[in-house]
Amino acid sequence: EVQLLESGGGLVQPGGSLRLSCEGSGFTFSSYAMSWVRQAPGKGLEWVSTISGSGGSTYYADSVKGRFTISRDNSKNALYLHMYSLRAEDTAIYYCARDAVRFDYWGQGTLVTVSS
Amino acid sequence: EIVLTQSPGTLSLSPGERATLSCRASQSVSSNFLAWYQQKPGQAPRLLIYGASSRATGIPDRFSGSGSGTDFTLTISRLEPEDFAVYYCQQHGGSPRYTFGQGTKLEIK
Repeated sequence: EVQLLESGGGLVQPGGSLRLSCEGSGFTFSSYAMSWVRQAPGKGLEWVSTISGSGGSTYYADSVKGRFTISRDNSKNALYLHMYSLRAEDTAIYYCARDAVRFDYWGQGTLVTVSS
Repeated sequence: EIVLTQSPGTLSLSPGERATLSCRASQSVSSNFLAWYQQKPGQAPRLLIYGASSRATGIPDRFSGSGSGTDFTLTISRLEPEDFAVYYCQQHGGSPRYTFGQGTKLEIK
């Protein structure tokens, strides 16, 4: 059974940093691209970032480019999102998702709140 | 950027009725790269349809997808109580890499 489990969310001040993690199981982790998708409170879904299976290619939404960094450690079946210079508008539930051109499996999400 | 516009914003129907949800793209989308998701309150989204018309694993056959080019449709043939949720379409291609529609809320009438 495919499972994705996020962690690392919490309350952070504007301008602060946070690292989210996502552990995958039940599939060959290195064979799949992985993505982060976020959802602000009461709002729709927004794609944030994608990383290829090898980690050699990364993609970002314009809203986070230069502030967020996606990475992975295939030896640990782990996906990361390093978030810097956080803003109030980054407040959202962050989901990791297995990326097969569509997001076929999702984690339960981790809440990031940016507030003073 | 390809913008996806979903309509209606809210759809009020009764169990047993047929639901038709629309997703219109601002420019042509490859059918291979059009997907639909269902999201219930407090839950992560769930993939329903990919490639515009292929059902994901475990999705009941009352869900079907169709369309091509700029117009896509999700149809639920006979609504069950558990189908009332928010539905999103999503496309892959260009920049940004993925975009979602704003969602259609399917509520019980």
